[in-house]
Amino acid sequence: GAVVSQHPSRVICKSGTSVKIECRSLDFQATTMFWYRQFPKQSLMLMATSNEGSKATYEQGVEKDKFLINHASLTLSTLTVTSAHPEDSSFYICSALSPNQPQHFGDGTRLSIL
Amino acid sequence: DAKTTQPTSMDCAEGRAANLPCNHSTISGNEYVYWYRQIHSQGPQYIIHGLKNNETNEMASLIITEDRKSSTLILPHATLRDTAVYYCIALQSGYSTLTFGKGTMLLVSP
Repeated sequence: GAVVSQHPSRVICKSGTSVKIECRSLDFQATTMFWYRQFPKQSLMLMATSNEGSKATYEQGVEKDKFLINHASLTLSTLTVTSAHPEDSSFYICSALSPNQPQHFGDGTRLSIL
Repeated sequence: DAKTTQPTSMDCAEGRAANLPCNHSTISGNEYVYWYRQIHSQGPQYIIHGLKNNETNEMASLIITEDRKSSTLILPHATLRDTAVYYCIALQSGYSTLTFGKGTMLLVSP
């Protein structure tokens, strides 16, 4: 079945560091990729939607200069959390979509900012 | 997208069928019912989806009432690994943004 790979699975870093998370669709071409964030005991919240070769669309309240999204190919999207602070600590999850297929998710990245 | 309502939690004994209900009384004619689940500390996993006919795959069965106002996800023989939060989502065909509610926490016990 469709596989979405997300890397790294866990990151621990100091405050002020920028962190890049990769999301790859391994066996299909993803026309659209999504980035979600999930805080403890809460549901997933959509952060942004990205289409290959175009700028990402951010949800209200998500800072586009803080969370940089690049979707350079049909199989790769990256999320960079710039100058991360403790309040950015969360579980970040990507998903990928191709036409006429359900959305498939990566296994998430747990980001801990000290 | 139509709002869905699910019980907060359910228990099921290992080996028994788990029947997870979902109400979507305002669903429109072109909205599908999608089910995902999220095992702790993992990304959501697609289970099944349907429009109006009942559907079955290797993971589960989806029963949709004739008026489409509710549906039931059936895990025929629940295992401990089926313990997860199950999300029922109404989604238009071609409209791709998933909105996750609180879902149902299914606990499968020995």
